[in-house]
Amino acid sequence: ETGVTQTPRHLVMGMTNKKSLKCEQHLGHNAMYWYKQSAKKPLELMFVYSLEERVENNSVPSRFSPECPNSSHLFLHLHTLQPEDSALYLCASSRYYGRAAGESGRLNTQYFGPGTRLTVL
Amino acid sequence: GQQLNQSPQSMFIQEGEDVSMNCTSSSIFNTWLWYKQDPGEGPVLLIALYKAGELTSNGRLTAQFGITRKDSFLNISASIPSDVGIYFCAGPTENSGGSNYKLTFGKGTLLTVNP
Repeated sequence: ETGVTQTPRHLVMGMTNKKSLKCEQHLGHNAMYWYKQSAKKPLELMFVYSLEERVENNSVPSRFSPECPNSSHLFLHLHTLQPEDSALYLCASSRYYGRAAGESGRLNTQYFGPGTRLTVL
Repeated sequence: GQQLNQSPQSMFIQEGEDVSMNCTSSSIFNTWLWYKQDPGEGPVLLIALYKAGELTSNGRLTAQFGITRKDSFLNISASIPSDVGIYFCAGPTENSGGSNYKLTFGKGTLLTVNP
């Protein structure tokens, strides 16, 4: 599945660095998501963008700053992270977000990118 | 919030064996999704189920949407070494207004296939 791509695939950064993660979807979807996956923990939803508008922020610390310049691109800007922020960061997209007329299940189905493995030293 | 109980947590099988795993919930789901995740990679959608009672196949994989809408199972027939990975079930949860929607994931089933 190459519909959702993420770069870089691996990132090592110090606590004082500023870096950005990039996600791009080629599926014509209108909703994009950032998830965090830590070792031995379930996927945690961080942010949701629908039609380039942030519609959900699940109490994520301000050191994570998302940006969605258009419906195909999603960024996660990182600043002064902590070692506990080390995790696999996953991007996903879906045709729509939330309830849609008709086949809402099909239109809400999320497709994931390969992830960025982030290590904070 | 709504939870998905996925079992078993892990399975160790021999190549060629069939595998079955399931997901249950105390709440009704309108969609059941099954994903596979390889180490260091993102989850890949295997099968999506949108109707109660629906039985869908994808190669050697078969999944069913339980008639009560509170459960789903995934079967893998004639397992091969590349089936190794973590399998997640997932379903959307909504608030009462239908405007807030998120995927709830099971904790995953770790499958190991011995050649």
